[in-house]
Amino acid sequence: KNEVEQSPQNLTAQEGEFITINCSYSVGISALHWLQQHPGGGIVSLFMLSSGKKKHGRLIATINIQEKHSSLHITASHPRDSAVYICAVPITQGGSEKLVFGKGTKLTVNP
Amino acid sequence: DAGITQSPRHKVTETGTPVTLRCHQTENHRYMYWYRQDPGHGLRLIHYSYGVKDTDKGEVSDGYSVSRSKTEDFLLTLESATSSQTSVYFCAISVRGNTEAFFGQGTRLTVV
Repeated sequence: KNEVEQSPQNLTAQEGEFITINCSYSVGISALHWLQQHPGGGIVSLFMLSSGKKKHGRLIATINIQEKHSSLHITASHPRDSAVYICAVPITQGGSEKLVFGKGTKLTVNP
Repeated sequence: DAGITQSPRHKVTETGTPVTLRCHQTENHRYMYWYRQDPGHGLRLIHYSYGVKDTDKGEVSDGYSVSRSKTEDFLLTLESATSSQTSVYFCAISVRGNTEAFFGQGTRLTVV
């Protein structure tokens, strides 16, 4: 059973559309990460949040700890937003912590 | 950008040979992770470290070993490379699991 589930797996949008990517997790967590990976590129951290909402430019991340759910929104999407978006949660195991990742959502924004 | 460097960035090796990948950080972060990324599987944890000489297995640790003799370096060794270990390998660092994670640029390993 995956501890972190993302949906959808693939998403195609037209430039300017509002995008929502969802992440659900099955364990209690203290924070959740949203990451971005461009084709052939490295992975960068977009947000780390533990409650409420965070906004950076056209990107908005929300989290509902009680419902164990987070969403990443992109307003006024642009082709340069095309990337894989990944959510990750820290899992405590034996006194140490490890990050567990969803499988990612591949977003394609067409001009 | 966080100071995290992976080496080599690309490697082609033959089946049965040992391979070592290096992750080097200049941030003095406690946690270091090795992941592999494959189509359809996303990022899967191989091993991680929560301090010098403190390491633990992830979900896909078979065929891999790690060492962390100093804070800044985390080595991943494929003891006898197999074609199934052809993948892109990412190193990541963090202060703790619930703090921001930083990733290296990845190492593309091909086992022929």
